[in-house]
Amino acid sequence: DVKVTQSSRYLVKRTGEKVFLECVQDMDHENMFWYRQDPGLGLRLIYFSYDVKMKEKGDIPEGYSVSREKKERFSLILESASTNQTSMYLCASSSGTGRRETQYFGPGTRLLVL
Amino acid sequence: GDSVTQMEGPVTLSEEAFLTINCTYTATGYPSLFWYVQYPGEGLQLLLKATKADDKGSNKGFEATYRKETTSFHLEKGSVQVSDSAVYFCALWDSNYQLIWGAGTKLIIKP
Repeated sequence: DVKVTQSSRYLVKRTGEKVFLECVQDMDHENMFWYRQDPGLGLRLIYFSYDVKMKEKGDIPEGYSVSREKKERFSLILESASTNQTSMYLCASSSGTGRRETQYFGPGTRLLVL
Repeated sequence: GDSVTQMEGPVTLSEEAFLTINCTYTATGYPSLFWYVQYPGEGLQLLLKATKADDKGSNKGFEATYRKETTSFHLEKGSVQVSDSAVYFCALWDSNYQLIWGAGTKLIIKP
């Protein structure tokens, strides 16, 4: 089975802190994604990556950056956390170059910024 | 741009009731359509999908048919169980190879 793990299930940070969210997948997938999930808004894509050291902006990249130094690991960075970044963060991965493959999700990290 | 609209929740049903969760879409071309499910405390997982008009996706007793004429992909199940309680998301692949998500519908099944 595909497994996508995220470093924390729950995280509490203070405004202005730098926050790192880690995601690791064990199926050698080329593609990795970071979403945030908010009630009534569904999932919104923050950043995605189709290869090591490659990144592309999604719909809401402002206030976030990412890093993909190894194929299995995709990190989301909040440079200076703000209260409006309180949310559920979901990482996903998928295989292939067709970009239409099924995405496999981690359990999510619920971030609270005080 | 492309979009997905789902019925608002929560939807509350009794066990063994018939379920329909509506999903309609706006898209150029012929997108692939998906239903994902998120059980409490878990990540999303693919429930079913359909890649062309008139295709029927099915899994775990759930079904959805890709209706191009009505731009719909409604999720149905004949007899729901308490274990089906979850949040259900409809989604499509857009022309830019990104998944476009509906807002999600929370389903509550009472014994």
